[in-house]
Amino acid sequence: QKEVEQDPGPLSVPEGAIVSLNCTYSNSAFQYFMWYRQYSRKGPELLMYTYSSGNKEDGRFTAQVDKSSKYISLFIRDSQPSDSATYLCAITYGQNFVFGPGTRLSVLP
Amino acid sequence: EAQVTQNPRYLITVTGKKLTVTCSQNMNHEYMSWYRQDPGLGLRQIYYSMNVEVTDKGDVPEGYKVSRKEKRNFPLILESPSPNQTSLYFCASIGDLNTEAFFGQGTRLTVV
Repeated sequence: QKEVEQDPGPLSVPEGAIVSLNCTYSNSAFQYFMWYRQYSRKGPELLMYTYSSGNKEDGRFTAQVDKSSKYISLFIRDSQPSDSATYLCAITYGQNFVFGPGTRLSVLP
Repeated sequence: EAQVTQNPRYLITVTGKKLTVTCSQNMNHEYMSWYRQDPGLGLRQIYYSMNVEVTDKGDVPEGYKVSRKEKRNFPLILESPSPNQTSLYFCASIGDLNTEAFFGQGTRLTVV
């Protein structure tokens, strides 16, 4: 079993839709839970991070962590074509980062 | 501006010809790391360094070498590249709070 699993997609949605992206993990020692966004031909950039169970909002983005189920989610409200990218979940223990394979999202105008 | 700079961005080379991909960060971070990204496999760690002169293997170190003689630089060396090392490579620098990895722009390497 991989340490972090993520549906690779691709996922296509119409503009304005609510998007749900999900990851599961296996190691209870993980400390921080993050979402990275990677545009084509670019390096990943941090979108959001949290370290506790519950929800964290930042504009149109909400990160949700359920430590009991080892499940993390990213919700995007009112999705825009500019949100089209690959989204990678990342989970850390110490300075070790473990990345999911990424979900490719396309938001169609 | 916080930055991780990789060079070159694109490289095509032949099997067996030694090459080096450079990486430099301007954030005074101690921890740096190299990843390769392949379709369906995501980012896999090749090597990491927790400080100057301290390096260690990641998940896929075979065929790669690194060095960390200065805090800001962390080059990746392929002594004898093979076609299975064709991939997209990223250097990352991680802050002291362990909450963000800053990535370079990537190096797309093709070994023929």
